[in-house]
Amino acid sequence: EPEVTQTPSHQVTQMGQEVILRCVPISNHLYFYWYRQILGQKVEFLVSFYNNEISEKSEIFDDQFSVERPDGSNFTLKIRSTKLEDSAMYFCASSDLGTYGYTFGSGTRLTVV
Amino acid sequence: KQEVTQIPAALSVPEGENLVLNCSFTDSAIYNLQWFRQDPGKGLTSLLLIQSSQREQTSGRLNASLDKSSGRSTLYIAASQPGDSATYLCAVTAGTYKYIFGTGTRLKVLA
Repeated sequence: EPEVTQTPSHQVTQMGQEVILRCVPISNHLYFYWYRQILGQKVEFLVSFYNNEISEKSEIFDDQFSVERPDGSNFTLKIRSTKLEDSAMYFCASSDLGTYGYTFGSGTRLTVV
Repeated sequence: KQEVTQIPAALSVPEGENLVLNCSFTDSAIYNLQWFRQDPGKGLTSLLLIQSSQREQTSGRLNASLDKSSGRSTLYIAASQPGDSATYLCAVTAGTYKYIFGTGTRLKVLA
């Protein structure tokens, strides 16, 4: 069964450093998403991406965040200058037509120290 | 603003029991509702997807129902097993393609 692959599974970074989280969505999917889950809290939507541009973003997704699909297969989330409160599990997801086939990756646990 | 609530927050049952997890949402204008399973420190596994025009979906020992007008969904697990121990998340979409998640029900099935 097709999977959404996320790397790395765990990343530790120093506060203030830039970090890039990587995702390989399912190959024929058109919509791409990032979510995050702070420990013990709800899974929260960050951003959706379609046709090489952001289609929707939440209030969490401020200027410190950016997304990119650099080569037609990878989908990345960049955090420019990490803060302690960015520590969370970050999930990538992709879908075909809208919510059809919506599949989540296994997540990247980001720890900011 | 859509809010999704799950009750109970935690549940512990002996093996073999049938159980019901509840999900409620404040805005009935949803596109679909999905139940996920999350094991500790792991990703999200889709269990059942119910489109807004549907009333229920079944997969094996799992049955999910949807009552849009009352803003409720239930996940029924028959003959629970220790391997069912996990957190169960309910999430809805409405118009856009983002999911809004509940806080989850942490289930423990005792052998």
